[in-house]
Amino acid sequence: DAKTTQPTSMDCAEGRAANLPCNHSTISGNEYVYWYRQIHSQGPQYIIHGLKNNETNEMASLIITEDRKSSTLILPHATLRDTAVYYCIVSTSGNTGKLIFGQGTTLQVKP
Amino acid sequence: GAVVSQHPSRVICKSGTSVKIECRSLDFQATTMFWYRQFPKQSLMLMATSNEGSKATYEQGVEKDKFLINHASLTLSTLTVTSAHPEDSSFYICSAAGHYSNQPQHFGDGTRLSIL
Repeated sequence: DAKTTQPTSMDCAEGRAANLPCNHSTISGNEYVYWYRQIHSQGPQYIIHGLKNNETNEMASLIITEDRKSSTLILPHATLRDTAVYYCIVSTSGNTGKLIFGQGTTLQVKP
Repeated sequence: GAVVSQHPSRVICKSGTSVKIECRSLDFQATTMFWYRQFPKQSLMLMATSNEGSKATYEQGVEKDKFLINHASLTLSTLTVTSAHPEDSSFYICSAAGHYSNQPQHFGDGTRLSIL
């Protein structure tokens, strides 16, 4: 079973920031938080991951609470192409840890 | 960035046929590859974990004799669906990860398998 909880769906206006929450209250000390997204009929695309500190890359920012029980993925300026299912996953490590996908959040970016 | 290529992207074949799907890491060496299956309107389900040079580890409920996995090199893993039937029709996706623990997995674009 997935160890994360995400809202089923969210809407966001084009050009605005999209903030996608994720709860992972049972996360272990050695588990990372990973975010992927899946656009229809494609394989998941890696977005970002983090352990304790907030992270930022060219796609998004990841804010992890101090107790690590929840996190937020921020897409700073959402575009129509960001419409996808977003998955928040906790796993021990990228290269050997299993990624157990939950149902994710369907983000609909609207004009 | 890391690229994972999957081939074929789509295959349609008759019931009873065996189908092989390839997963290649194009610009990095993948010590571990994973195979997933996704049915319509559902999330990805992990089928098996494949390590180069050793036998794959299958998730509970996945028949190892039905879904043969070979990870013969650090850049190639194959999944063979043996004697496929209509219920095996699905979207099969692989992922690959490099040597370092802080490297994320990267996914192929998937193979749409349709068994008639």
